[in-house]
Amino acid sequence: NAGVTQTPKFQVLKTGQSMTLQCAQDMNHNSMYWYRQDPGMGLRLIYYSASEGTTDKGEVPNGYNVSRLNKREFSLRLESAAPSQTSVYFCASIRLSTGGTEAFFGQGTRLTVV
Amino acid sequence: GQQVMQIPQYQHVQEGEDFTTYCNSSTTLSNIQWYKQRPGGHPVFLIQLVKSGEVKKQKRLTFQFGEAKKNSSLHITATQTTDVGTYFCAGRYSGGGADGLTFGKGTHLIIQP
Repeated sequence: NAGVTQTPKFQVLKTGQSMTLQCAQDMNHNSMYWYRQDPGMGLRLIYYSASEGTTDKGEVPNGYNVSRLNKREFSLRLESAAPSQTSVYFCASIRLSTGGTEAFFGQGTRLTVV
Repeated sequence: GQQVMQIPQYQHVQEGEDFTTYCNSSTTLSNIQWYKQRPGGHPVFLIQLVKSGEVKKQKRLTFQFGEAKKNSSLHITATQTTDVGTYFCAGRYSGGGADGLTFGKGTHLIIQP
């Protein structure tokens, strides 16, 4: 059981370049999230998808787009990378039920924009 | 939107000392979870608390959920170097965007041997 698979693990971009971060989960969860983590800032929500076919903005959506391709996959796209987007990005798949809540995180993508 | 305040942001302790991190919400939570992130790693689920006044233990870790379901704490007894990392709480609210799930900013635990 792979859980949440996130690719790539590391990436260096030049300012203005574009890229897509991929995320896939095999737990049949409806909810998937994208976070960025910067020193001292905790986990900041970029976008989320409560179900297949829906996406919504989180706390810091500017400069990003997302696609919920199907129930398994939720991708994050940087159309024109900026140095301020240097960060660690985490995808999470959320189990939500009347019994409770649990977030499963991918390994993270360490992105540097130069 | 809903906010979960977590303190302290950083905590330095000597190995063997105790450690506590606190989370507070201005509104009632449906449940609260705790996660641990090792340096260079990703957050990993530790536990969930659902009931008012609930207390759960995992070896040297004790988790509490307040009577009003607005605050929670994680206490580690006699810290070890393996406890190093960042501890996050995540509160779930009824309704609201993002499935009502809000993470605290985390507490970085630094242990000096």
